[in-house]
Amino acid sequence: GAGVSQSPSNKVTEKGKDVELRCDPISGHTALYWYRQSLGQGLEFLIYFQGNSAPDKSGLPSDRFSAERTGGSVSTLTIQRTQQEDSAVYLCASSADSNYGYTFGSGTRLTVV
Amino acid sequence: DQQVKQNSPSLSVQEGRISILNCDYTNSMFDYFLWYKKYPAEGPTFLISISSIKDKNEDGRFTVFLNKSAKHLSLHIVPSQPGDSAVYFCAAGGGGTYKYIFGTGTRLKVLA
Repeated sequence: GAGVSQSPSNKVTEKGKDVELRCDPISGHTALYWYRQSLGQGLEFLIYFQGNSAPDKSGLPSDRFSAERTGGSVSTLTIQRTQQEDSAVYLCASSADSNYGYTFGSGTRLTVV
Repeated sequence: DQQVKQNSPSLSVQEGRISILNCDYTNSMFDYFLWYKKYPAEGPTFLISISSIKDKNEDGRFTVFLNKSAKHLSLHIVPSQPGDSAVYFCAAGGGGTYKYIFGTGTRLKVLA
């Protein structure tokens, strides 16, 4: 597609439930990133995928968070046993060259009630 | 430990005047800097970048200045327009790292 596509755009879930967030990057972009923005905070790095290399998971806040990228394209971020502090906008970005910035999707606004 | 800081959470400027948004960083290994603009309910969009080999980069109404010795960069918007009202994030990266560290953003409001 022309841009980075994320779904759903909004998700309300009950505390303790699992959620899956999807990211469809720009075709041909080998680098894919997940960030999140909590209320009043900056963009917090979560995880990075580059081609077939092992992902950099150093930003994942707990073991309830995991992500995968299938076939070097679509990525899914999974949050298990959601907590209220997981409420945030989750942003996906992709890049053709990780040295020169990325294109972001519109994000998924997650609200845990 | 915030490596990239935007100390002004908000800024209001009259239409036609200059907007100056500031950003400070702590890691001297950063060598590439970006500014993004974000409207509500949209993802951030790339605005302008600067490499550490330069001290200024200009693109239309937008100019980014980099002061490496002070570890400080600023974004100037001249003249400011109401459509520039958004949250502006600076980000720093490079130095062998592939991930950018973002500041907390500055909300700019341009008053008509």
